[in-house]
Amino acid sequence: GAVVSQHPSWVICKSGTSVKIECRSLDFQATTMFWYRQFPKQSLMLMATSNEGSKATYEQGVEKDKFLINHASLTLSTLTVTSAHPEDSSFYICSATATESNQPQHFGDGTRLSIL
Amino acid sequence: AQRVTQPEKLLSVFKGAPVELKCNYSYSGSPELFWYVQYSRQRLQLLLRHISRESIKGFTADLNKGETSFHLKKPFAQEEDSAMYYCALSPLGRGGADGLTFGKGTHLIIQP
Repeated sequence: GAVVSQHPSWVICKSGTSVKIECRSLDFQATTMFWYRQFPKQSLMLMATSNEGSKATYEQGVEKDKFLINHASLTLSTLTVTSAHPEDSSFYICSATATESNQPQHFGDGTRLSIL
Repeated sequence: AQRVTQPEKLLSVFKGAPVELKCNYSYSGSPELFWYVQYSRQRLQLLLRHISRESIKGFTADLNKGETSFHLKKPFAQEEDSAMYYCALSPLGRGGADGLTFGKGTHLIIQP
């Protein structure tokens, strides 16, 4: 149980386009989802916390207008990288937590984003 | 702000030898600590969390508040333990309800 699906797993696009990444909890309801970013050979860095039905909370230094997060249901959160540029190229990973208290986070497979 | 330090990028041990992956943290409150593992081409998986006090796949980790450490140990390494290991901290101690702060990870290689 507790499977988190992320789509797409890999995307390549031109500079200036917007890219949407989906994160779904397949067999549980997730009140909270998180978005992380991982640069090559570095650790995961928390970008934002997404709560169903409310605005996302962004970490310091993360541009809200660049990384749009929507958490419209208990099983789906989306991250849209707007007007992407090469410096946005990275590995993006989501995680989700079940609504029951004190449950751990379960991670998706990640999305590799390459901006040309 | 909180910080998690994993001093070893790479740790190589022989099969059957004991393993210890080090993790130190800095945070003024009462955090919750986790170890996540990532096997080759797989997603991050929770290995253990300090509040559970469980032993998973033979691994244990004890939270030492005095030394602010949460080292991961296994008495006899197995080849299938080869993976990337991340230590992580939940600042408010609310488990999955907090965004996690991760260490940089230790790549564990078990040699036959």
